[in-house]
Amino acid sequence: AQSVTQLGSHVSVSEGALVLLRCNYSSSVPPYLFWYVQYPNQGLQLLLKYTSAATLVKGINGFEAEFKKSETSFHLTKPSAHMSDAAEYFCAVGSNTDKLIFGTGTRLQVFP
Amino acid sequence: DAGVIQSPRHEVTEMGQEVTLRCKLISGHNSLFWYRQTMMRGLELLIYFNNNVPIDDSGMPEDRFSAKMPNASFSTLKIQPSEPRDSAVYFCASSLALGQGAGYGYTFGSGTRLTVV
Repeated sequence: AQSVTQLGSHVSVSEGALVLLRCNYSSSVPPYLFWYVQYPNQGLQLLLKYTSAATLVKGINGFEAEFKKSETSFHLTKPSAHMSDAAEYFCAVGSNTDKLIFGTGTRLQVFP
Repeated sequence: DAGVIQSPRHEVTEMGQEVTLRCKLISGHNSLFWYRQTMMRGLELLIYFNNNVPIDDSGMPEDRFSAKMPNASFSTLKIQPSEPRDSAVYFCASSLALGQGAGYGYTFGSGTRLTVV
């Protein structure tokens, strides 16, 4: 069985500060890992994905995530937060079925 | 590409009424997922289809909920009769599954906000 845990339901940062959103996964087979972002009143949009190529994955809007097998982690980072990054972020894990398992989400607030 | 299209965007209905939510997949995608999102329970997978066939409906809350894929590009989610606790945002997502599992990820629609009064 697969699962994903997002540590921290809310994260607050100042504009220009580092963004770090944590995601740990559990999977008995090599996983696919995803980060999605949801802006208010919108659907989820794919930020980036890991599918067993490079362990450091770059996504849209300056976000990146690093797959660390030894730590079963796939944390999302951005060097400098922008006000427009305020949204909810979801980590998801998948494998050899079509189903993605989503985390409970982390709401990012960015203060001026 | 118009993306995944859901209709209506908002639906307000009275308890006991039938509600039908609609979803048009991205052309060429062959997997379809229905999710429900609430503050209390987060994002829940209700059902998913692959090549028009329901694969896993274990997330459907009860018999009042039903979903169909009459063709490769369209799906409906029906609630009959609706209840106030069904109020939520319902998303559909489509994907291209080529026997490689979930590697392609999903493309989500903008959702239908359902309010049952």
